[in-house]
Amino acid sequence: DTGVSQNPRHKITKRGQNVTFRCDPISEHNRLYWYRQTLGQGPEFLTYFQNEAQLEKSRLLSDRFSAERPKGSFSTLEIQRTEQGDSAMYLCASSPGIVGGYTFGSGTRLTVV
Amino acid sequence: RKEVEQDPGPFNVPEGATVAFNCTYSNSASQSFFWYRQDCRKEPKLLMSVYSSGNEDGRFTAQLNRASQYISLLIRDSKLSDSATYLCVVNDDMRFGAGTRLTVKP
Repeated sequence: DTGVSQNPRHKITKRGQNVTFRCDPISEHNRLYWYRQTLGQGPEFLTYFQNEAQLEKSRLLSDRFSAERPKGSFSTLEIQRTEQGDSAMYLCASSPGIVGGYTFGSGTRLTVV
Repeated sequence: RKEVEQDPGPFNVPEGATVAFNCTYSNSASQSFFWYRQDCRKEPKLLMSVYSSGNEDGRFTAQLNRASQYISLLIRDSKLSDSATYLCVVNDDMRFGAGTRLTVKP
């Protein structure tokens, strides 16, 4: 296992289109997190899963955003009807539990034009 | 008040200097804290955990002050390669600070 993998690395989309990102966590990690980061800011929490259960969603996550983690393995983050304000780096991380540190993937950089 | 606050800097220091960053948090029940390092256009990478008794890893020392609700990171004998943004995270809340940018100059 080489770590957390995210695809695609870059995505350019037109405003109003839907996009989906994928995250493959470290296989023995049961927690998976999605964060969004813009230039000069720290990672902003979006949502997290414990196994297949989505346990928390940020109030910043509008109803255009949805995340899934079927079977507690990989996860997808979908953004519907993208807006220019959605342009950011979307980071996925996994951890072995609440006391373990996160391992981040390289992120998906989204540009909405 | 933000849940996790950091001085954004930038901190510009000469090589060999000692520099310290603080990170305050609002949730007094928080138990788990970490420092991460993030290089430009890269993902954050775990630097070190923060233990109640304080802990050291080479030139890096992390401390926790529960009474005042802050954690700190001390870097001794700073190197050019230490230039990065340093992020603190309150693991229980999964919230990161905005990061403190450090530039070490020759």
